[in-house]
Amino acid sequence: AQKVTQAQTEISVVEKEDVTLDCVYETRDTTYYLFWYKQPPSGELVFLIRRNSFDEQNEISGRYSWNFQKSTSSFNFTITASQVVDSAVYFCALSEAFGNQGGKLIFGQGTELSVKP
Amino acid sequence: EAQVTQNPRYLITVTGKKLTVTCSQNMNHEYMSWYRQDPGLGLRQIYYSMNVEVTDKGDVPEGYKVSRKEKRNFPLILESPSPNQTSLYFCASSLGERGQETQYFGPGTRLLVL
Repeated sequence: AQKVTQAQTEISVVEKEDVTLDCVYETRDTTYYLFWYKQPPSGELVFLIRRNSFDEQNEISGRYSWNFQKSTSSFNFTITASQVVDSAVYFCALSEAFGNQGGKLIFGQGTELSVKP
Repeated sequence: EAQVTQNPRYLITVTGKKLTVTCSQNMNHEYMSWYRQDPGLGLRQIYYSMNVEVTDKGDVPEGYKVSRKEKRNFPLILESPSPNQTSLYFCASSLGERGQETQYFGPGTRLLVL
């Protein structure tokens, strides 16, 4: 069965600290895709990144970076030099290439990040 | 601007009064879906559609209906809303139905059923 676990329910940091959000997934498929979404206090879901199961290269986008490790089934997200505007709930999600509900996303429970000035 | 729109954004209604939440996308996406978000339960798929006139149940379809008469629109219908359908609803769309396609979400609709 597919499952995404975000063990950290809430994280609180002070501005400029680095913070890592953990994501562990389970799937029996060999071809799958991992995503991160951001949900700011206004409520919308904002796409951040997509990764496929064959590409384990780390990715960096500005202050954001992602570490994908198939050996540990993890897809962790790091924010460097956090800012107050990073305060949000972050969701990790999984979809399978040939899932039986099309491109259904299986979401983790989310990690609420609070960045204090 | 490429986007998914939903209306209304906020809705308070009473038990049993039929309502429709509209969803529209301007990206010519084939795949559309509805999710609900509840505290402690996360986001769960309600219904999805792989193309016009092709819809199917997600994980929590009870109490909902959908239709896909046009590619751009995918309304969510609650024929007889109940308090347990109080939730935050998201519509999403993606280019295709395979898992590799990124789903883009609408702004959400907060529904309160009294």
